[in-house]
Amino acid sequence: SQTIHQWPATLVQPVGSPLSLECTVEGTSNPNLYWYRQAAGRGLQLLFYSVGIGQISSEVPQNLSASRPQDRQFILSSKKLLLSDSGFYLCAWSLYTGVKYTGELFFGEGSRLTVL
Amino acid sequence: GENVEQHPSTLSVQEGDSAVIKCTYSDSASNYFPWYKQELGKGPQLIIDIRSNVGEKKDQRIAVTLNKTAKHFSLHITETQPEDSAVYFCAANPNQAGTALIFGKGTTLSVSS
Repeated sequence: SQTIHQWPATLVQPVGSPLSLECTVEGTSNPNLYWYRQAAGRGLQLLFYSVGIGQISSEVPQNLSASRPQDRQFILSSKKLLLSDSGFYLCAWSLYTGVKYTGELFFGEGSRLTVL
Repeated sequence: GENVEQHPSTLSVQEGDSAVIKCTYSDSASNYFPWYKQELGKGPQLIIDIRSNVGEKKDQRIAVTLNKTAKHFSLHITETQPEDSAVYFCAANPNQAGTALIFGKGTTLSVSS
């Protein structure tokens, strides 16, 4: 069965510090990978998605970046955090067979980031 | 691009009552409409979904209806229980390979006993 791991679960960082959140998926190959952010009153905001190694699409211009160094690894980074980066970050994966897009997203347990 | 509006933002019901959450979408090409339930401190989990070739789908106490012409879909929960209390998100898929679900802003459902 497929599982998704996301860490760290909680993080408290000062403004201006760097960020690295990591996500890995097990039990599937070539998944689509996503980073969402959940802030109060804004629902689930899509930040980045990736359809393959090294392929990153950005949905929201900001000081965050994403990378996919391996097939089942997705990393969210920042060089200098802002107060507005605080939120609940969710990694997710979905399966695209190449013929049919299944659509269902499987989420990790999330990483709560507090920037002080 | 796709835009999903969700109402209401909060909903309080008594145990045993029904709850209805409504969503509208903008992209007529969208063909997949899931609903997710998020419990406190956890990631969202799929509870039910519907595709554009179906008008209604039911799973025990949960049902979803889709009106493609009006571009809206709804979640219906009957005989609500306290464990139904959570945040519910609707979403739409723009039907393009590799693209992501676009979510509504969520509805916080509170079921009191």
